[in-house]
Amino acid sequence: AQSVTQLDSQVPVFEEAPVELRCNYSSSVSVYLFWYVQYPNQGLQLLLKYLSGSTLVKGINGFEAEFNKSQTSFHLRKPSVHISDTAEYFCAVSEIGGGSEKLVFGKGTKLTVNP
Amino acid sequence: DAGITQSPRHKVTETGTPVTLRCHQTENHRYMYWYRQDPGHGLRLIHYSYGVKDTDKGEVSDGYSVSRSKTEDFLLTLESATSSQTSVYFCATTPRTGLQETQYFGPGTRLLVL
Repeated sequence: AQSVTQLDSQVPVFEEAPVELRCNYSSSVSVYLFWYVQYPNQGLQLLLKYLSGSTLVKGINGFEAEFNKSQTSFHLRKPSVHISDTAEYFCAVSEIGGGSEKLVFGKGTKLTVNP
Repeated sequence: DAGITQSPRHKVTETGTPVTLRCHQTENHRYMYWYRQDPGHGLRLIHYSYGVKDTDKGEVSDGYSVSRSKTEDFLLTLESATSSQTSVYFCATTPRTGLQETQYFGPGTRLLVL
């Protein structure tokens, strides 16, 4: 079964600084990878996803992530963050052909952008 | 965005009482999911539905049941609420089968079991 590890539970940064949120996964088969964002008191929404092809995926709000199969990682990056990026970010994985409808989420990383 | 609403948005109940949470969607999506979100655990799947009257268990299904009598509604029932079921509950939908599909989430229901 697949699993996801988000290496940092909290990441504080200053406005306009770059940020990287780390995600590693474990699976015995090929996977699809996702990043979701949850703003305070809201549900989750998709930031970006990797299905196949180019390993660099661009998402909404200037975020991007790079799939690294050898490192089993899918880190999320943004070159310059804004106060409005303060939210919790969830990495998620689903196994291709795994015979399940399950999307497995990491425990989340709280990003706080300070002025 | 898919039109997904959840009701109630907040509920306080007592241990041992039954509780039903409702998820309603207006997008005619086939798949619907119930998750619970707890600090330090991320989101965990409780049950999901792949069509009317078709449901299956997720990772943390003990103590929960679901029903889907029509495409737009997916109900989650706590038969006898316990304090360990205090959580934030999210409903999600996808339009088609396929693990590559984006899930669309409702705003959540915050449940407190005293």
